[in-house]
Amino acid sequence: QKEVEQNSGPLSVPEGAIASLNCTYSDRGSQSFFWYRQYSGKSPELIMSIYSNGDKEDGRFTAQLNKASQYVSLLIRDSQPSDSATYLCAVKPGAGSYQLTFGKGTKLSVIP
Amino acid sequence: DVKVTQSSRYLVKRTGEKVFLECVQDMDHENMFWYRQDPGLGLRLIYFSYDVKMKEKGDIPEGYSVSREKKERFSLILESASTNQTSMYLCATVIEEVQYFGPGTRLLVL
Repeated sequence: QKEVEQNSGPLSVPEGAIASLNCTYSDRGSQSFFWYRQYSGKSPELIMSIYSNGDKEDGRFTAQLNKASQYVSLLIRDSQPSDSATYLCAVKPGAGSYQLTFGKGTKLSVIP
Repeated sequence: DVKVTQSSRYLVKRTGEKVFLECVQDMDHENMFWYRQDPGLGLRLIYFSYDVKMKEKGDIPEGYSVSREKKERFSLILESASTNQTSMYLCATVIEEVQYFGPGTRLLVL
């Protein structure tokens, strides 16, 4: 059973701080990794994708991947109240399938 | 921009009714997915399709069926709705490995 684990939270950070969201996965053959943001009552929207080890930055967001440790994280710098949402980690296995395994999400609350 | 639409945002049905949830994508994509999302359980895959008339069971297909007669449309069918099928239903399509979701249908079965 392929699993993706996230802390459910809630994770509370003050406005302007760095929020750190973590995700571990069980399938060592996984190749593609995604972070989605989901506001309450809305559908998930893609924030970042990452495919190779290391860091990938996009504005205030940085995704980090360590395949040896089977660990992927999302850092949000200068957190804003509008970042308050649930963040879903999703993992795609090797080539040949477009299915994703989703974690249950971490709820982030940014306190003004 | 990817456009995935779902036929209803909110739906209320009675136990035993047959329910159709429609999903339409506008970019001729082959892969489409149906999920349900419940508090504490996350996103769970019900069915997916990788081409017209092709379908594969996901993790929780019981009580559901699907139809894909045209590439752009993927329908989820609840043959006889039950209260435990009250949930948020999400449709998705794939572009270059990334799944893009429709707005979701919140279904209440009374």
